[in-house]
Amino acid sequence: DVKVTQSSRYLVKRTGEKVFLECVQDMDHENMFWYRQDPGLGLRLIYFSYDVKMKEKGDIPEGYSVSREKKERFSLILESASTNQTSMYLCASSTNRVGREKLFFGSGTQLSVL
Amino acid sequence: AQSVTQPDIHITVSEGASLELRCNYSYGATPYLFWYVQSPGQGLQLLLKYFSGDTLVQGIKGFEAEFKRSQSSFNLRKPSVHWSDAAEYFCAVGAGNAGNMLTFGGGTRLMVKP
Repeated sequence: DVKVTQSSRYLVKRTGEKVFLECVQDMDHENMFWYRQDPGLGLRLIYFSYDVKMKEKGDIPEGYSVSREKKERFSLILESASTNQTSMYLCASSTNRVGREKLFFGSGTQLSVL
Repeated sequence: AQSVTQPDIHITVSEGASLELRCNYSYGATPYLFWYVQSPGQGLQLLLKYFSGDTLVQGIKGFEAEFKRSQSSFNLRKPSVHWSDAAEYFCAVGAGNAGNMLTFGGGTRLMVKP
């Protein structure tokens, strides 16, 4: 079964810090995604990548950047964390072949910015 | 742009009772529709999906959903709820490259009374 692993379950950072959220998938999926989950707002797409070194902005990319140097790893970067970035962050992956509509999610990283 | 509305933020049902979770979408063409479930502390798991054909789709864990174009709805149903169904449920709509740009609803949290 596909496994999507997010490096931290909980993170506490200070305003202005640079924050890295790491995500690794083990099924050779082409597509990887970063979502942010907030109560009542559901999931909102921050960035996605359909290939190594390729990235596309989602609905709320402001204040974030991403890096995909290897196929299995997709990093979300908060250049200067702010309190309004306190949220649950979910990574997901999918194949680019038949069945690509199914996203496989990690367990999430709850980030608190103080 | 597509959008998804889940009108019920919280729903409580008794174990063994039937369940219907509402989902309304806005999209100009035939949508790709999904229901995902998130158990506490977990990522999201795909329950079922609709692309075309039979408007009543069956999913995992005994869930089904019906696509009604005239009502722009894709409601999720289960005839008899189990305590393990307590979770948060997300409806999502995709367009074009299904799975690449999903728009999620705000979610419905289901609680099950013994």
